[in-house]
Amino acid sequence: QKEVEQNSGPLSVPEGAIASLNCTYSDRGSQSFFWYRQYSGKSPELIMSIYSNGDKEDGRFTAQLNKASQYVSLLIRDSQPSDSATYLCAVNDGGGTSYGKLTFGQGTILTVHP
Amino acid sequence: GAVVSQHPSWVICKSGTSVKIECRSLDFQATTMFWYRQFPKQSLMLMATSNEGSKATYEQGVEKDKFLINHASLTLSTLTVTSAHPEDSSFYICSAPARRDRAEQYFGPGTRLTVT
Repeated sequence: QKEVEQNSGPLSVPEGAIASLNCTYSDRGSQSFFWYRQYSGKSPELIMSIYSNGDKEDGRFTAQLNKASQYVSLLIRDSQPSDSATYLCAVNDGGGTSYGKLTFGQGTILTVHP
Repeated sequence: GAVVSQHPSWVICKSGTSVKIECRSLDFQATTMFWYRQFPKQSLMLMATSNEGSKATYEQGVEKDKFLINHASLTLSTLTVTSAHPEDSSFYICSAPARRDRAEQYFGPGTRLTVT
């Protein structure tokens, strides 16, 4: 069974700090990886996708992928209280870069305190 | 772009009744949509894959006769919870990929179902 593991947290960081969120996955054949942000009572919002080994930056967010270690991470720079949410790591089961079913981790709760 | 809507956003129904939830892609066509259920403080659980013009594919353990899915057009999928019971109370969310060659999926705002 394909698994995606995240530390459930909660992860607490001060405002302005870097928040580091980690995720591991079991299926070595996976090729598409995503980070979603979910505020309490709301649906997930896609914030980052990554397909290749290395780093991908978008504003204050950086996704890192290491397929050899089966590891995906998300860095949030200059964390703001509005970043407080649950962050879900998702892995595409399609086996390629086209769409397929997503397997989600259990989510990491991030709290950014002023 | 890539906007998905759901209706209703919340619904309360009596035990034994049926409830229909709509999922629409507003600015793209979706031959495939996915339906999830999320219980409080838990992650998303995929219920089924909805395919335009064909039968839905259900995940193991999901009762297809209880959760009826219809994907009659390229922009609309519906989930009907039949003979709802209190244990069906949950947050139901749909998602869709905006492009066939990309894996990114976009979620609707969700429907909160409460069965009394």
